[in-house]
Amino acid sequence: EVQLLESGGGLIQPGGSLRLSCAISGFTFRSDAIIWVRQAPGKGLEWVSFIADSGGVTSYADSVKGRFIISKDNSRNTVYMQMNSLRDEDTALYYCTRGRNMAIDIWGQGTMVTVSS
Amino acid sequence: DIVMTQSPDFLAVSLGERATINCKSSQSVLYNSNNKNYLAWYQQKPGQPPKLLIYWASTRESGVPDRFSGSGSGTDFTLTISSLQAEDVAVYYCQQYYGNLMYTFGQGTKLEIK
Repeated sequence: EVQLLESGGGLIQPGGSLRLSCAISGFTFRSDAIIWVRQAPGKGLEWVSFIADSGGVTSYADSVKGRFIISKDNSRNTVYMQMNSLRDEDTALYYCTRGRNMAIDIWGQGTMVTVSS
Repeated sequence: DIVMTQSPDFLAVSLGERATINCKSSQSVLYNSNNKNYLAWYQQKPGQPPKLLIYWASTRESGVPDRFSGSGSGTDFTLTISSLQAEDVAVYYCQQYYGNLMYTFGQGTKLEIK
């Protein structure tokens, strides 16, 4: 079964850091792009970051560029997102997803990040 | 950056009737090299992650009922539900990708039963 399992969310003060993890199973990890999408409470979907199948190409939304870093560990079948200098507006449910055909075909259940003092 | 604008924001349709949601892109999402439109549609029910319905503007994802269809090209796209069922109540999002390693979602359309 194809599965993406996020972890690492929690309550963090503004300016703090968190590292989200996405454990991947059920498909060839090295053949697909992994994308982080977030959804603030009661709001719509926002694309956050992308890492190519090779791991050598990444991209970020302007809202997180310079603060978030996406990476992958092929040996652990895991993608990470290091989130630094967190702001109130980063509060959201963070989904780890698989990119295919320039769409997103598999979604995890999400991990909640709350930035608050 | 490409901006995706959906209309309407809210839609109420009677059971068995047709529902139509529109999505307009600020730039064309037609990839000339392969003549594909990189436009997808998602359905999100409360408390659940989104579900892919349509990709390449009109290709139905496996397992999606055939009452869901997508159409359009370039900058204007439509998601149609031919005969609304109770289980179709959800928020629907369009999403584009245009070769710059960036994705954009529309703001969402909330579909309810009239």
